[in-house]
Amino acid sequence: TQLLEQSPQFLSIQEGENLTVYCNSSSVFSSLQWYRQEPGEGPVLLVTVVTGGEVKKLKRLTFQFGDARKDSSLHITAAQPGDTGLYLCAGAHTNAGKSTFGDGTTLTVKP
Amino acid sequence: KAGVTQTPRYLIKTRGQQVTLSCSPISGHRSVSWYQQTPGQGLQFLFEYFSETQRNKGNFPGRFSGRQFSNSRSEMNVSTLELGDSALYLCASSLGQGDADTQYFGPGTRLTVL
Repeated sequence: TQLLEQSPQFLSIQEGENLTVYCNSSSVFSSLQWYRQEPGEGPVLLVTVVTGGEVKKLKRLTFQFGDARKDSSLHITAAQPGDTGLYLCAGAHTNAGKSTFGDGTTLTVKP
Repeated sequence: KAGVTQTPRYLIKTRGQQVTLSCSPISGHRSVSWYQQTPGQGLQFLFEYFSETQRNKGNFPGRFSGRQFSNSRSEMNVSTLELGDSALYLCASSLGQGDADTQYFGPGTRLTVL
């Protein structure tokens, strides 16, 4: 079984703080996705990273794919209440058709 | 381009009944995957269909089944419902090939079994 471990499981911070969440595995993935999900809704794709060492930025969010393509991190700068949600990482395999999901990090940003 | 759509959004059933959920993928996507999401178990993979064939299957009992049509639309069926089947059922579509194959999720169907 190829598992993705996300940490921390829960994170509660004040508006304006920075944070980093992690996604780790012993398996190599052809690509890795980060999603954000709000209660009662489906996960919304934030980014896909493909190349080892790749860094992608999306406004205040910075995503990094590990050199060995086994782990990833998501860094949020100056968090806002609108960033509140469940952050999921998912590792994909070429032509495998299914992704392995982590259990997610529940982020709460207090105003 | 329209996103993934799922119908119905909400469903209430009683134990022993059966239910069919529907998913329309993004145009051009040939892969449709189904997931069950509960607070205690997170996202659990049910199965994946690609070009009308089941390509991958998770560890769910035979009461959970699915199919895919020639237009890539997919349905999922759960027979003899149990209380523990209450969950958010998510459908995700993707091209189904390539290194950067990315799944795009629908809004989900919230199933409540009484």
